[in-house]
Amino acid sequence: DAGVIQSPRHEVTEMGQEVTLRCKPISGHNSLFWYRQTMMRGLELLIYFNNNVPIDDSGMPEDRFSAKMPNASFSTLKIQPSEPRDSAVYFCASSWLAGVPNTGELFFGEGSRLTVL
Amino acid sequence: AQSVTQPDIHITVSEGASLELRCNYSYGATPYLFWYVQSPGQGLQLLLKYFSGDTLVQGIKGFEAEFKRSQSSFNLRKPSVHWSDAAEYFCAVGAGYGGSQGNLIFGKGTKLSVKP
Repeated sequence: DAGVIQSPRHEVTEMGQEVTLRCKPISGHNSLFWYRQTMMRGLELLIYFNNNVPIDDSGMPEDRFSAKMPNASFSTLKIQPSEPRDSAVYFCASSWLAGVPNTGELFFGEGSRLTVL
Repeated sequence: AQSVTQPDIHITVSEGASLELRCNYSYGATPYLFWYVQSPGQGLQLLLKYFSGDTLVQGIKGFEAEFKRSQSSFNLRKPSVHWSDAAEYFCAVGAGYGGSQGNLIFGKGTKLSVKP
């Protein structure tokens, strides 16, 4: 079975440009998570969806960041406009959450490394 | 709020030596605890998890971890390290109940280097 698929793997862009990161979760999973990883702050949850509905977006840094999950097999994380401080590795993960609390394993994609010049 | 502390940023051990990576958590109820491993350029892979029951849990690749409630710790161990174990290791706690029930709170990670 395919794992979580992220694209692009690497993105280099200039400040002010729009960046769109994409994620295809594992088929059958009902929850999707976007994390950001930096040396300074480690792994931070940006947003997560359950059954395509955003549940917690308190980690989204500011209005420049937006995330959508139009269906169970696709999600996007958009940064507009991008800034150098957005440079990081962005991970998508999916899981099957069968109830409260979360006892499910997170399956991570290989990440999208973003560099904003 | 939940939090996870991994006191050691970087550890170097010799191949064949034993390993213990420390993890302390802060959580008001029974925690759900995880250890993940990240190889360079890769995503995170689950090594093991603790939900309840036996406080010593076994994972993949010969790793084990022990939950100690009195010390709020969940240390990862391996009796004999292999060169392929060189990676970064993350401890995480499940946020459990409430609006963030799907979230895992991760520690900052411990980078493991293995000397030949």
